[in-house]
Amino acid sequence: DAKTTQPNSMESNEEEPVHLPCNHSTISGTDYIHWYRQLPSQGPEYVIHGLTSNVNNRMASLAIAEDRKSSTLILHRATLRDAAVYYCILGGYNKLIFGAGTRLAVHP
Amino acid sequence: EAGVAQSPRYKIIEKRQSVAFWCNPISGHATLYWYQQILGQGPKLLIQFQNNGVVDDSQLPKDRFSAERLKGVDSTLKIQPAKLEDSAVYLCASSLGRGDNNSPLHFGNGTRLTVT
Repeated sequence: DAKTTQPNSMESNEEEPVHLPCNHSTISGTDYIHWYRQLPSQGPEYVIHGLTSNVNNRMASLAIAEDRKSSTLILHRATLRDAAVYYCILGGYNKLIFGAGTRLAVHP
Repeated sequence: EAGVAQSPRYKIIEKRQSVAFWCNPISGHATLYWYQQILGQGPKLLIQFQNNGVVDDSQLPKDRFSAERLKGVDSTLKIQPAKLEDSAVYLCASSLGRGDNNSPLHFGNGTRLTVT
């Protein structure tokens, strides 16, 4: 299974944009890039996914490098509720292998 | 739509005892997953069902863990006998599946197991 590398932790201030990086240099041509997040005491929650093109939804944007070896999850205006562990995962939906993720702290 | 339901929410048992967790997926979701999440780590896939058949159980410790999915809907995960290292949150997830790469996983809030 292709591996992803994420920073252990990041910090942001409320109402500022947040850019969460993910490196995946061994990604295969058919691997989707998925992002999930996990709030305290809850199960993971789907955020966004993409294959080659940048993607936007109501929660976030996903910017994918042209060579697909890295991607960035963008939260346009962080809120306190966005404090969570964010997981970048490669693969198809039939098999998602989670890493340790990035713990995002949001300061008022 | 109703989310993935799991019970119990918490369970404390002694080592060598047995325990069972229950999961009711979102209606119509063909694929069901059980994950184990140890404190400070990401979830680890234990077993994946497609309808009532097992797709992947390569990470399931089969000497003590078992799982079934009755009639392709509800699922139970059992541990017998439990060990101290089984202390974790057990997460159930479901997805539409059927080879659709655009259907995300929906997770329940998990069962927190403490083995003493």
